[in-house]
Amino acid sequence: DGGITQSPKYLFRKEGQNVTLSCEQNLNHDAMYWYRQDPGQGLRLIYYSQIVNDFQKGDIAEGYSVSREKKESFPLTVTSAQKNPTAFYLCASRTGTGGYQPQHFGDGTRLSIL
Amino acid sequence: DAKTTQPTSMDCAEGRAANLPCNHSTISGNEYVYWYRQIHSQGPQYIIHGLKNNETNEMASLIITEDRKSSTLILPHATLRDTAVYYCIVRPNTGTASKLTFGTGTRLQVTL
Repeated sequence: DGGITQSPKYLFRKEGQNVTLSCEQNLNHDAMYWYRQDPGQGLRLIYYSQIVNDFQKGDIAEGYSVSREKKESFPLTVTSAQKNPTAFYLCASRTGTGGYQPQHFGDGTRLSIL
Repeated sequence: DAKTTQPTSMDCAEGRAANLPCNHSTISGNEYVYWYRQIHSQGPQYIIHGLKNNETNEMASLIITEDRKSSTLILPHATLRDTAVYYCIVRPNTGTASKLTFGTGTRLQVTL
């Protein structure tokens, strides 16, 4: 089935450690996005990529890094510089054709600090 | 992006239609209305979107008023599995660079 796969579902980070969240899609979508959701709040955009080898910062990019070496993959690294990383992280993708096309989401990764 | 206003919570009996309102009085001419829902601990699920005409798909119907200042999402026969937070979002037709801005949504509780 076509879709967006995020892994792992749960992740724990030690102080000073970098961790990488995986996002893979087999929908042949051009654009991919990373959002962060805190309890009881809406989603905030971290980074997005419209094409391979290109990405832009969103509203809360500090302490995060991304890469887009393949169309299907958009991993997010939460670095030790992110002082409050505990959150629910959501990856989304959409086709590049038609500006009105909706974004589709994966099932998220829940990151916690040990 | 235009701001949306939704009720905080709503209840609906199973089998009945759930009508979820959304106010977007400052919507611009090139902004679409999108509806998503989020079941606890899952990613948001796309439901439907529209510009000015009413839309229907296998999940729901979207009714947009003629002046486009408000809309209603209709789940024709709600089931317990429709219990979720429903988000109404407006976004311009500006391609892939545009983010989705989720508000606090409406928590729909479907009961027996």
